[in-house]
Order: sequence, then structure tokens, then C-alpha cells
Amino acid sequence: AQSVAQPEDQVNVAEGNPLTVKCTYSVSGNPYLFWYVQYPNRGLQFLLKYITGDNLVKGSYGFEAEFNKSQTSFHLKKPSALVSDSALYFCAVSPGMDSNYQLIWGAGTKLIIKP
Amino acid sequence: DAMVIQNPRYQVTQFGKPVTLSCSQTLNHNVMYWYQQKSSQAPKLLFHYYDKDFNNEADTPDNFQSRRPNTSFCFLDIRSPGLGDAAMYLCATSGGRGNNEQFFGPGTRLTVL
Repeated sequence: AQSVAQPEDQVNVAEGNPLTVKCTYSVSGNPYLFWYVQYPNRGLQFLLKYITGDNLVKGSYGFEAEFNKSQTSFHLKKPSALVSDSALYFCAVSPGMDSNYQLIWGAGTKLIIKP
Repeated sequence: DAMVIQNPRYQVTQFGKPVTLSCSQTLNHNVMYWYQQKSSQAPKLLFHYYDKDFNNEADTPDNFQSRRPNTSFCFLDIRSPGLGDAAMYLCATSGGRGNNEQFFGPGTRLTVL
């Protein structure tokens, strides 16, 4: 079965330190990969995506993610965390053209940035 | 700005009293989705439309129905809300051109008394 794993329920980082939120996937073919962020009582906001090309993708708010095909991973990173980055982060994968327009979602990782 | 709009943002209903949630989009996207999200969990897809073609997830309860009268609007009807239906309901759209990037509305928080 196709799946997305976010192995950490919560990640705690001190402000100013680098952060990583992990995502691995098990999807056949050439998937498209996404990161979304959700602030309390809000909808999901798109951060970045990987479709093809350069494995390092840059997105909104200084975030970036690295696609690693051999490790089937798409970890989200930021060089210097801000308290305002505290939110819920979801990794999602589209299996490609046969996806029936759906995304497979990870369980989410709560990111807490401490001052 | 092109966007996805959901009304109302907060909805309170009584146990068993039908409720309708509304979603509209100015993106002119072919695909519209309804998700249910409970307490910081991953969003759970209820159904989606590609144009007027309706696709129901196998585990979506019959209590949930949807209508899409035109490209811009989509409605979620909950015929007899139970306490377990209290959740955030998210509407999303995508262009349906393969990469399935989805654009979300702000959500409707449903409370069932």
C-alpha cells in the first residue's frame, strides 16, 4: 500500500537553530511531493513542492526540502528557526498521473520553536 | 487575489439537525475536495469532484453528501450530525493537471451540541 510517514509527532527546536522535519514515502512510480503548514484553526498553506529537476527545492518563509530518491525521503529544512514557525507540518505525496487527483498525507509533525 | 473561500468559518448545530457548509473558488479549478480534520490529525478525504464527476471515498459515511452546482461552488451537507462529526472541514481545489497541488480554504469549524 502507498503511504507517507512522518516519524516524529513533535519536533522541538531553539530559536535560531536549524530545523528538520522528516518525511519518507512508499509510492510507486515518480511521485510529486509537497509540504503544507497549518496554523491553529486555519486551513493548510502550501510551502513547497518537488515535481522534477533539482533535488533541493526552495519554498515559502525560508523553508527548503531535499528530495532523495534512493532513500525515498523529502525532509523539510530551515537554516534558522523562528518562533513564528511553530505550527503543524504535513508532508503529502501524489503518486503521479494515476493518482485520481488525490494526495496521500503524512500524519503531521508539530513543530515547536522555543525562544 | 484568486482564492478558496469557506463559509461560515464557525458553525454550531444541534445533534441531528442538518447543516450545510459552503465553499467557493475563484481559481477556476476543475477539482474540488472536501476533507474532515480532527484535532491536529491528517486531513481525511471525504469526496472530490472532477468537474461534475463525483468521487466518494469508500469509508465516507452516508450521512455526508455533496453538491457542486457549478465550477465555482461546492457544498457539504451533513444530514444528521452526530457528536463524532464535530471537526474542522476543509475545502480544497486543484487544477487537475497531474501534480495535484491543492489550494485550501480557511476551513469551517463545526461544533455539534
